Amino acid sequence: EVQLVQSGAEVKKPGESLKISCKGSGYSFTSFWIGWVRQMPGKGLEWMGFIYPGDSDTRYSPSFQGQVTISADKSITTAYLQWSSLKASDTAVYYCARHTTGPLADRLVAVDYWGQGTLVTVSS
Amino acid sequence: DIQLTQSPSFLSASVGDRVTFTCRASQGISSYLAWYQQKPGKAPKLLIYAASTLQSGVPSRFSGSGSGTEFTLTISSLQPEDFATYYCQQLNSYPLAFGPGTKVDIK
Repeated sequence: EVQLVQSGAEVKKPGESLKISCKGSGYSFTSFWIGWVRQMPGKGLEWMGFIYPGDSDTRYSPSFQGQVTISADKSITTAYLQWSSLKASDTAVYYCARHTTGPLADRLVAVDYWGQGTLVTVSS
Repeated sequence: DIQLTQSPSFLSASVGDRVTFTCRASQGISSYLAWYQQKPGKAPKLLIYAASTLQSGVPSRFSGSGSGTEFTLTISSLQPEDFATYYCQQLNSYPLAFGPGTKVDIK
């Protein structure tokens, strides 16, 4: 059974650093892009970026490039989302998301598995 | 970047109704579109991928169609568990954007 299990809720102050995690199991971790989706309170879904753990190829949405770092440790099948200096506007639920390809395995077609979400609250 | 718009933003409907939502892309995305359902406090759930392929385990009352720039998601007979927010996502090119969502509420 495919599972993505995320780390727990965090409460931080502006300017602090943070790294949240997403552990994948039940599938070949190095063969699927795994990424992050932000959902601010009462708002929609925003695709942040993802990483291919097999070769560490990483893509970011321009909206998040330079604001966060996505990484993965394939030895422990875990992906990470990291901030060096949090802002109040980073308050949101963050979902990790496994992206899958179609039958020909040539193009991405959807996010087929999601983590349970990690609530990050940034407040002074 | 490709922008997605969804209409309506909000839809009030009754159990048993046939409902249709639309997702429009700012440029052609072939059939690289997925639909998700999200209930409050829960992670999204994949319903449809490649514009019209039903994800395994999803009830057949859900269907998707379209290609290029205009796509639709139809629920043939709305059930109580279908009251939720529905998002489309394009996977044709980076960044893989989501639409703003359509919220379905009980009339």
